[in-house]
Amino acid sequence: GEEVAQTPKHLVRGEGQKAKLYCAPIKGHSYVFWYQQVLKNEFKFLISFQNENVFDETGMPKERFSAKCLPNSPCSLEIQATKLEDSAVYFCASKQRGEYTEAFFGQGTRLTVV
Amino acid sequence: GENVEQHPSTLSVQEGDSAVIKCTYSDSASNYFPWYKQELGKGPQLIIDIRSNVGEKKDQRIAVTLNKTAKHFSLHITETQPEDSAVYFCAASKGGRTGTASKLTFGTGTRLQVTL
Repeated sequence: GEEVAQTPKHLVRGEGQKAKLYCAPIKGHSYVFWYQQVLKNEFKFLISFQNENVFDETGMPKERFSAKCLPNSPCSLEIQATKLEDSAVYFCASKQRGEYTEAFFGQGTRLTVV
Repeated sequence: GENVEQHPSTLSVQEGDSAVIKCTYSDSASNYFPWYKQELGKGPQLIIDIRSNVGEKKDQRIAVTLNKTAKHFSLHITETQPEDSAVYFCAASKGGRTGTASKLTFGTGTRLQVTL
């Protein structure tokens, strides 16, 4: 498709429950990124993939967060045992291979942990 | 790691006036500087970008300038319109062949309000 598709748009979880977010990158894009946007608008980088391989996971809270990009499947971001501070909008972005290519963002998934 | 600072956090201008948003970055290896517009409930959308080998770039009412020595870059919007009202983010990353998958480091955003 021509846009990054994120599902679901909204997700509500009780503290301690699991949350799983999905991202279908634009067809032909080799790179996928996940960002977390918290209440004050700040974007925090979580993880990036080059095809199905993790490229950079320096932003991931490793204890509870995991992510995958498998062939022929949407990418996923999973949070085990959610905490109140995980409440945020999670954005996925994808890029084509090539120098200085544009990162296209999805509409985001708003996760609310109650 | 890279740190990007953005000012002001809010900006109110009258329709037709110009708006300027400024950013500074810390990592001299950063060489790609995109600007994103985010409307309420939506994802960021690229409006203009600049590479470090260029000092200025213009696209209709939008221009971006880059001062590599000072590690400053700025967004200029002329003849503002109500539909320009949104949150604007600057970002920095390492573009180029070896940096294709490099993450974006965002500024903290500027809420621009264009009043009639």
